[in-house]
Amino acid sequence: EPEVTQTPSHQVTQMGQEVILRCVPISNHLYFYWYRQILGQKVEFLVSFYNNEISEKSEIFDDQFSVERPDGSNFTLKIRSTKLEDSAMYFCASTQTRGYGYTFGSGTRLTVV
Amino acid sequence: AQTVTQSQPEMSVQEAETVTLSCTYDTSENNYYLFWYKQPPSRQMILVIRQEAYKQQNATENRFSVNFQKAAKSFSLKISDSQLGDTAMYFCAFMKSGDSGGSNYKLTFGKGTLLTVNP
Repeated sequence: EPEVTQTPSHQVTQMGQEVILRCVPISNHLYFYWYRQILGQKVEFLVSFYNNEISEKSEIFDDQFSVERPDGSNFTLKIRSTKLEDSAMYFCASTQTRGYGYTFGSGTRLTVV
Repeated sequence: AQTVTQSQPEMSVQEAETVTLSCTYDTSENNYYLFWYKQPPSRQMILVIRQEAYKQQNATENRFSVNFQKAAKSFSLKISDSQLGDTAMYFCAFMKSGDSGGSNYKLTFGKGTLLTVNP
């Protein structure tokens, strides 16, 4: 069964450093998403991406965040200057048809120290 | 804005028994989807079941079924013949649908219910 692949599975970074979280969505999917889950809290929407542009972003997704799909296969989330409160599990998701539910990746646990 | 409420932070059930997880939501929308996702200790989010709001018939996937009460804005998940592998966090989620580009179709999650299946 096709999978959404996320790398790395765990990343530790110093506060103020830039991080790039990588995702390879399912190949025929058209809609891409990033969500995050702070430990013990609910899963929160960050951004949706379609046709090489952001469709919607949440209040969390400020100027420190960016996404791109540079080569038609990878879908990346960049955090320019990490803060302690960015520590969370970040999930990438994709879907071919909206409304049918997404396929989530297994997540990247980001720890900012 | 939509909200999703799961009032049971934790539940437990004996293996082979049936358990029901509750979910209520608040929306003024008429067209939407509802989902249950499972998050086992591996932390991956796995789609369990999906319901379209315009369908009155309750969705069923093997041992998993829902009781969708649109007027009451309730969407409970029933797990029959519980198995040890069902132990996980279960999230109820709401998705607004519509024709207006990407402003819809994002998931709003509840806080989750931790289900433990005991041998």
